[in-house]
Amino acid sequence: GQQLNQSPQSMFIQEGEDVSMNCTSSSIFNTWLWYKQDPGEGPVLLIALYKAGELTSNGRLTAQFGITRKDSFLNISASIPSDVGIYFCAGRMNYGGSQGNLIFGKGTKLSVKP
Amino acid sequence: DVKVTQSSRYLVKRTGEKVFLECVQDMDHENMFWYRQDPGLGLRLIYFSYDVKMKEKGDIPEGYSVSREKKERFSLILESASTNQTSMYLCATRQVPKGLFFGSGTQRCFL
Repeated sequence: GQQLNQSPQSMFIQEGEDVSMNCTSSSIFNTWLWYKQDPGEGPVLLIALYKAGELTSNGRLTAQFGITRKDSFLNISASIPSDVGIYFCAGRMNYGGSQGNLIFGKGTKLSVKP
Repeated sequence: DVKVTQSSRYLVKRTGEKVFLECVQDMDHENMFWYRQDPGLGLRLIYFSYDVKMKEKGDIPEGYSVSREKKERFSLILESASTNQTSMYLCATRQVPKGLFFGSGTQRCFL
């Protein structure tokens, strides 16, 4: 089935550093979503993107919907220890309705050293 | 805020048992989903439902069934639990046009 390539798989960074991760697909998506999952919890939606080129921020997080509609990136500025977790990208090929379920990347595991 | 509640955070069952995982949402969402999450494999869709009494197979439905008798409740059933069904199970609902909202997950272990 359709897959998303999410990279990197894991990151070990120092507190205060900026972080960047991305997802790419061979197909065109109409929606890109970024989730964060804390240990032992379900994923929580961070940012949703609906238009090519859209750039959206949520606090220290910024995500962009690629112009080609085949990629998206997430940046975290000035990382803090509570940023630790697994970040997932997800995309949908059809907008709205009952069709077009989300396809998930395999996640980027972020570790932050104080 | 959307609330998605899964029964049992952790569960240990014997192989061959019939297991029910319950998920309840309080936002009147029509779409509900069951995923399993395994290290290195990410999130995989088991079953989903667009409305009461309706169900659709996801990517890995083998060994599972579902029930949606009421709009707010979506149950995942393991007819005869096996060790390869040891996993983290996540229920989610969908709020159009936004994305999925997940429950906290149920970690199941089958001995």
